[in-house]
Amino acid sequence: EAGVAQSPRYKIIEKRQSVAFWCNPISGHATLYWYQQILGQGPKLLIQFQNNGVVDDSQLPKDRFSAERLKGVDSTLKIQPAKLEDSAVYLCASSSQVASNTGELFFGEGSRLTVL
Amino acid sequence: QQQVKQSPQSLIVQKGGISIINCAYENTAFDYFPWYQQFPGKGPALLIAIRPDVSEKKEGRFTISFNKSAKQFSLHIMDSQPGDSATYFCAASKGNTPLVFGKGTRLSVIA
Repeated sequence: EAGVAQSPRYKIIEKRQSVAFWCNPISGHATLYWYQQILGQGPKLLIQFQNNGVVDDSQLPKDRFSAERLKGVDSTLKIQPAKLEDSAVYLCASSSQVASNTGELFFGEGSRLTVL
Repeated sequence: QQQVKQSPQSLIVQKGGISIINCAYENTAFDYFPWYQQFPGKGPALLIAIRPDVSEKKEGRFTISFNKSAKQFSLHIMDSQPGDSATYFCAASKGNTPLVFGKGTRLSVIA
């Protein structure tokens, strides 16, 4: 079974530039998450999708971050304009269950963003 | 507000020893407590999880101990091996809300 695919693995940009990350979840997984992991910290939820609808985006900085999951499969996370503090690893995860506590979260390897 | 507090931040254990990582939570509504393991350059992977209706769960060398009254849970790794060297995250959730993660513990098992 193929895992969660993410790209690009690494990205370096100047502040105020834009960047986009792509995620393809495990086939059949209805729930998709984007987490931000700053160096030395645990993952922090940015947004949760159930199929193509947003379940929780309360911690997404909506003035600069946006995410979509068209057709309920793959997803894109965009940052525009980027700030220095956005330097982090962006993790995508998927689950076959609606509720996170009834199903295991499967994480991708992440996209490491460095903002200079 | 940090909902899940994890300690220690880093841990060095001799091969064959016991590694113990602790987590404390504040929200009594949490009803699911997993531990995730993360190797460098990889995403976190579920290691073991527990619900508050039991006080202990064991899977191989990994055991979760849960103390509901103290709002604490811990991960014990018996017979620790160099291959266990990784960062471990405790997490918690309630109902259908997403997982809240601790800050992580970097474990180094030395021969």
